[in-house]
Amino acid sequence: QKEVEQNSGPLSVPEGAIASLNCTYSDRGSQSFFWYRQYSGKSPELIMFIYSNGDKEDGRFTAQLNKASQYVSLLIRDSQPSDSATYLCAVRYSGGSNYKLTFGKGTLLTVNP
Amino acid sequence: KAGVTQTPRYLIKTRGQQVTLSCSPISGHRSVSWYQQTPGQGLQFLFEYFSETQRNKGNFPGRFSGRQFSNSRSEMNVSTLELGDSALYLCASSWNAKETQYFGPGTRLLVL
Repeated sequence: QKEVEQNSGPLSVPEGAIASLNCTYSDRGSQSFFWYRQYSGKSPELIMFIYSNGDKEDGRFTAQLNKASQYVSLLIRDSQPSDSATYLCAVRYSGGSNYKLTFGKGTLLTVNP
Repeated sequence: KAGVTQTPRYLIKTRGQQVTLSCSPISGHRSVSWYQQTPGQGLQFLFEYFSETQRNKGNFPGRFSGRQFSNSRSEMNVSTLELGDSALYLCASSWNAKETQYFGPGTRLLVL
């Protein structure tokens, strides 16, 4: 059973701080990794994806991937109250024609003004 | 480019009934995946269709089924509804299954 684990939180940070969200996965064959943000009552929206070891930056967001340690993280710099949401980590295992995404249960982030 | 659309947005059914949900992918996207989201279980994969063929299926009972049409629109059906089927059903599309998935707004199903 391929698993994706996230701390459910809630993670609470003050406005302007760095929020750090972590995700671990069980299958070393995983190839691509995604972070989605989901506001309460809404559907997930893609923040960013990462395929290679190291960091990938997009604005205030940085995804970090360490395949040897099997974890992926998302850093949010200068956190804003509008960043308050549940953050979902998703991992794609690709074997044969199976490209399905496996999601963690999400981390609830609260940014306090 | 229009996003993924799902209809209906909200649905109330009673136990034993069946329901059909519809998903129209982003134009040009040929892969459609369906997920069930509940507070306790999170997002769980139901099945994925590509070019009218089901390629992957999650661990759900046979009451859950789906299909995809030649225009890539997809439907999922749940027969003999149970209370535990109450959930947000999400559809996601991508150009092919290897690419990034984009979610629709979801259909919120309540089974009474």
